[in-house]
Amino acid sequence: GESVGLHLPTLSVQEGDNSIINCAYSNSASDYFIWYKQESGKGPQFIIDIRSNMDKRQGQRVTVLLNKTVKHLSLQIAATQPGDSAVYFCAENRGLTGGGNKLTFGTGTQLKVEL
Amino acid sequence: DAEITQSPRHKITETGRQVTLACHQTWNHNNMFWYRQDLGHGLRLIHYSYGVQDTNKGEVSDGYSVSRSNTEDLPLTLESAASSQTSVYFCASSESRTALGSGANVLTFGAGSRLTVL
Repeated sequence: GESVGLHLPTLSVQEGDNSIINCAYSNSASDYFIWYKQESGKGPQFIIDIRSNMDKRQGQRVTVLLNKTVKHLSLQIAATQPGDSAVYFCAENRGLTGGGNKLTFGTGTQLKVEL
Repeated sequence: DAEITQSPRHKITETGRQVTLACHQTWNHNNMFWYRQDLGHGLRLIHYSYGVQDTNKGEVSDGYSVSRSNTEDLPLTLESAASSQTSVYFCASSESRTALGSGANVLTFGAGSRLTVL
């Protein structure tokens, strides 16, 4: 079967430190991966994505690393701020026979930023 | 500004009643999706649509239906609400069906509708 899961359900970091949120996936046919951030009472919000033919992609204060050998995805947040406190989801996308795509979400990691 | 809105934001209903959750987007996106979010399960796909008059079942479609009569709206109907359908429901939309890696399949989510079935 296929699954997308996170190694740590809760991650606590000090303000200013770097955060690393991990995600394991099992479907080698997935062609890209997406990270979403969900703040309390809100819908998920896109952070960054990465294609399966890449191993690293950088955004503003965030970096996503993809290791296809071990089917591992990580989100790194530099200089973590209180506003980064949220649940982070990874999601994998794969194309379907006949067209269309399927997006499978992980269960989420709660990031808590301590002052 | 373009947006995606859900209503109602909170709803309490009784077992057996029909409930409809509204989703309206002004992004002019072809694709629209309904997910439910439950602790321990993440987001699970209920139904989705790639355009007007197109609807498809997701992984947890039993007890739910959708219709797509225009680009902007995808209402989700619970035909006979059950306590197992107590959840937070998210509507989402995206631009392209097949473009990959360009960000075109990135979902834009609504703020969610919390449904409690007593």
